[in-house]
Amino acid sequence: QVQLVESGGGVVQPGRSLRLSCAASGFTFSSYGMHWVRQAPGKGLEWVAVIWYDGSNKYYADSVKGRFTISRDNSKNTLYLQMNSLRAEDTAVYYCAMGTGRAFDIWGQGTMVTVSS
Amino acid sequence: QSALTQPASVSGSPGQSITISCTGTSSDVGGYNYVSWYQQHPGKAPKLMIYEVSNRPSGVPDRFSGSKSGNTASLTISGLQAEDEADYYCSSYTSSSSWVFGGGTKLTVL
Repeated sequence: QVQLVESGGGVVQPGRSLRLSCAASGFTFSSYGMHWVRQAPGKGLEWVAVIWYDGSNKYYADSVKGRFTISRDNSKNTLYLQMNSLRAEDTAVYYCAMGTGRAFDIWGQGTMVTVSS
Repeated sequence: QSALTQPASVSGSPGQSITISCTGTSSDVGGYNYVSWYQQHPGKAPKLMIYEVSNRPSGVPDRFSGSKSGNTASLTISGLQAEDEADYYCSSYTSSSSWVFGGGTKLTVL
């Protein structure tokens, strides 16, 4: 079945870096755009970034632009999010999601990132 | 990238209908038929309920419907059931090639 599994979350100090991964299975990964969406504790959803199916285009939320980088390896069916210069306000559950049309069709279970000294 | 505006909470009794509104601008909701709705139960990942304003993915009950007028989209749930109690989020594609979510609406089934 279609599945997305995030990993790489944890506790990190402000200013440090972290890389999240999202392993995809059950569908043709290389045919779909992929997103990262985050949710701070007790808060709503916030779109973070998108990468086109072939990696040719990437777009970011203003809140992470210049600090986060989305990438993918279609040979490994894996999506990544490199997060640099982390701030306390980046603390959240990070979800990867498969994009169809302009919607988030399938979601992973999420991985928690805590930025704290 | 301002968040779309949703009511913080709505409630209804089993069997009744409720509507959740989602207001944006001409740069997002009003400019594209790319509004989607998500259901999120506590501690769970969001689930797509409506895409492209009014389309239901396979497996979503037809009690869920969506519409749009101008800069405001709406999600209607008819024949409310206890399991519908959850948080609901709208989302829209934007003119900046980005996406924006609403603040979320907590649905309580009385």
